Amino acid sequence: QKEVEQDPGPLSVPEGAIVSLNCTYSNSAFQYFMWYRQYSRKGPELLMYTYSSGNKEDGRFTAQVDKSSKYISLFIRDSQPSDSATYLCAPENQAGTALIFGKGTTLSVSS
Amino acid sequence: KAGVTQTPRYLIKTRGQQVTLSCSPISGHRSVSWYQQTPGQGLQFLFEYFSETQRNKGNFPGRFSGRQFSNSRSEMNVSTLELGDSALYLCASSLAMDYNEQFFGPGTRLTVL
Repeated sequence: QKEVEQDPGPLSVPEGAIVSLNCTYSNSAFQYFMWYRQYSRKGPELLMYTYSSGNKEDGRFTAQVDKSSKYISLFIRDSQPSDSATYLCAPENQAGTALIFGKGTTLSVSS
Repeated sequence: KAGVTQTPRYLIKTRGQQVTLSCSPISGHRSVSWYQQTPGQGLQFLFEYFSETQRNKGNFPGRFSGRQFSNSRSEMNVSTLELGDSALYLCASSLAMDYNEQFFGPGTRLTVL
């Protein structure tokens, strides 16, 4: 079983839709969970991170961690064409020495 | 404030050759991490340097090596290139080893023929 699993998509939605992006992980010791966005031909950029369980909101983005089910979610409200990118979840490993990336979900928002 | 820069942006090599990639972190950042990104394996951690010392290493063969200079600039080297080394190589910098403040460069696209 891979440490982090993420549906690669692609996921296509119309502008204004609510988008749900998800990851599962296997190691219950993970504490920090990051979400990165990567545009084509660019490096990943950090969107937000959460510590342990719970929700964190930043503008149109909400990150959610359910440690009991080892499930990570990123919700995008009122999606825009500029949100079209690949979204990567990345828990910090148990030792706190590296990030373990999912393979990313490609999102396309059409106007 | 200038971001993380990587040179070259694109590189084509043949099997058996070696290659050196360069990364200049954001001014003041002392930690530099390297990642390999491929369609099949996604983003995988190579190694991390802090104050010229390798602190952490991922699960890659010894053909992959790196170093960091006193000005925090970092290089990674891949010797005896294989076709499977074709990938986007990304470097990321942070002040210490704070993953919530890790900034990525645009990457170097390496193609091995």
